Amino acid sequence: ELKVEQNPLFLSMQEGKNYTIYCNYSTTSDRLYWYRQDPGKSLESLFVLLSNGAVKQEGRLMASLDTKARLSTLHITAAVHDLSATYFCAVGNYGGATNKLIFGTGTLLAVQP
Amino acid sequence: EAGVTQFPSHSVIEKGQTVTLRCDPISGHDNLYWYRRVMGKEIKFLLHFVKESKQDESGMPNNRFLAERTGGTYSTLKVQPAELEDSGVYFCASRGTGGNTIYFGEGSWLTVV
Repeated sequence: ELKVEQNPLFLSMQEGKNYTIYCNYSTTSDRLYWYRQDPGKSLESLFVLLSNGAVKQEGRLMASLDTKARLSTLHITAAVHDLSATYFCAVGNYGGATNKLIFGTGTLLAVQP
Repeated sequence: EAGVTQFPSHSVIEKGQTVTLRCDPISGHDNLYWYRRVMGKEIKFLLHFVKESKQDESGMPNNRFLAERTGGTYSTLKVQPAELEDSGVYFCASRGTGGNTIYFGEGSWLTVV
C-alpha cells in the first residue's frame, strides 16, 4: 500500500526565514500535488508536478519532484504571515490508479511576525 | 466561474440518523471525487465518478455509505445509518477531462452525536 510521509507536521517560523517541507512516498509515481488549506476553507491547488526533475515556483513557494528518490519538497523563501496555513502533499498516478490521491498528514505552518 | 460547491457546510445528527451531502462540481467536469478526513487522520479517498459511472469506489468504508451521480452533474453522498466514527469532513473534488488539476470544495463537516 502506498504511504505518503510528510514532515514536519508543525512548523513555526519567523517572517523572513526560509524553510522546506518534505514529502516522501513509498512507491513509484510521477504525479505529485501540493495543496494549501486555510482553516475552514477548501484545499487550494498550489502545484501539480508531472515528471522527474519538475520544478515549479509561485511567489515565495517553490516545489520540486525527484521520482527516483520518491521525494518532493516545498521550499518557502522569506516567509510572510500570509503563508500561514496547512500544506498537504498528495501522490497520484501510481499502480494504474490514475485518479486516486493519497495524502500526506499535512504540515501546519505558522509564520510569526 | 464557480468552484466546487458543497452543501451543507455543517451538519450535526444523532447516531442512527441519515445525512445526505451534496456536491456540485465545476461545470463541465466529468470527474468527481469524494474524500473524507476523520479527526486526526489523513484525507482519504472514498470514490471517483466519471460522468454518472462509478469508476473506483474502493475507498468506501462500508455499505452504510451510498454515492450517486444521476445525470452526471451533481453528486450526493448518503450515510445511513450514521455512526459516531463517521464524524469528519467530507470533501468533494472535480477535474476536467484531460486536466491535471483536481479542484476541491470547502468540505461538509459532519458531526454524529
